[in-house]
Formats: sequence, C-alpha cells, structure tokens
Amino acid sequence: ETGVTQSPTHLIKTRGQQVTLRCSSQSGHNTVSWYQQALGQGPQFIFQYYREEENGRGNFPPRFSGLQFPNYSSELNVNALELDDSALYLCASSRGLAGDRRYNEQFFGPGTRLTVL
Amino acid sequence: SQQGEEDPQALSIQEGENATMNCSYKTSINNLQWYRQNSGRGLVHLILIRSNEREKHSGRLRVTLDTSKKSSSLLITASRAADTASYFCATQMEYGNKLVFGAGTILRVKS
Repeated sequence: ETGVTQSPTHLIKTRGQQVTLRCSSQSGHNTVSWYQQALGQGPQFIFQYYREEENGRGNFPPRFSGLQFPNYSSELNVNALELDDSALYLCASSRGLAGDRRYNEQFFGPGTRLTVL
Repeated sequence: SQQGEEDPQALSIQEGENATMNCSYKTSINNLQWYRQNSGRGLVHLILIRSNEREKHSGRLRVTLDTSKKSSSLLITASRAADTASYFCATQMEYGNKLVFGAGTILRVKS
C-alpha cells in the first residue's frame, strides 16, 4: 500500500461521454502525475500537477484535462470519450518537481480501469 | 511514445532460477528505474540507478546500466512464484520529471 488512492476502481462509459477520475495523494506530497496504460503496454505520461498548476504535459489531446486541489488531490477529466481511451489510468504522487536536486520517488495508486464501449 | 524496448517480452522460468530482463532507451537520462506491476494494478518501485552508476544491488535484485549503449538489465536471483509479474523500466531526464516507460517484460515463475 502506497497511501495513494484512486476512485473509482472500474468504470464503463460509452463513446462520446465524459469521465472524471480521482486521485488522493500520499500525505506530504504536493505533486501528482497521471499516466495512461493501454493493455499490453507501458504507462504513458499524460500530465503533472504541482501546487495546483499544470507542470508538464505528454502527447495527449486537450480533451484530457486535469485539476489539482489545495489538499493536493487531483482529478483527470476526459471529454468526448473514444474507444482508444479504454485503459488503466494511474496516478502517482511525489514531493517536489523537475529540477529538484534530490530524488523523490513517485508512489503509484492502484489505478482506475476505464472501458469505453 | 515509449522510450524504448524491453527484452524479452515474456519470460517463463522455474522457481529458483535467475531471471534477466533488458531495457534499451533512446535519450540521455538522469536515472533509470525498474518497476513491478501485478495483474494490471499499481506500479511498485523496485530500484533506481543514476546515470553515473554502473551497477546497483537491492536484495535479490541486481541492476546494471550502460549509458554508452543506452541499455540496462535487471537480474532477479533465486526467483520465487511470487515474483510473477510484469516488470517495466522507466527513465527520467531529471529528478521530478515525467517517467518514460518501456513496454515491459512479463515474467512467469513456475513452482
């Protein structure tokens, strides 16, 4: 158990719908990163939030958006769902951000499995 | 896009044998990390090796890094059935930055 929680565990949506996934970071962590993991592949970076601001984004369209709240929990929103959005969505929390001189481990939550029909 | 390749894609061994997984990457890095994932759930951090290190040990794990070849290997010695999982390498260009993962190796340890 890493102390990072995600909800819901599983979700089924239909094409064109919108979805919100939630992540509670580990105590003391101010950075949350989101990853998408398609079946049989490694996770791919979506974006990172540090102190409520987006701090880096991967190669994902604007319909993937996020928020980070003052308690450092975070949401991932996906609009206009497509079949290819079916994946395991992982969040990871850590202290600090890019450029830190010390390594801060990213702790992953158990993921939300999204199925788009 | 993935950072690079992992080799093999799948590995099946008997309990007690050693398992070796390889990872290649494309860009300069600050560090390389290995993660384990059970049954498509969350990732567990195993070990980190910095770009100025060549070898690192942690329990039954041994990681090597060759920056000239942009490759790394993970050796699990005396494997156990509980080691059955997917293993991913991930690189960072600097601390705190995004992790760039490989496609992973599926390890099955038969008892």
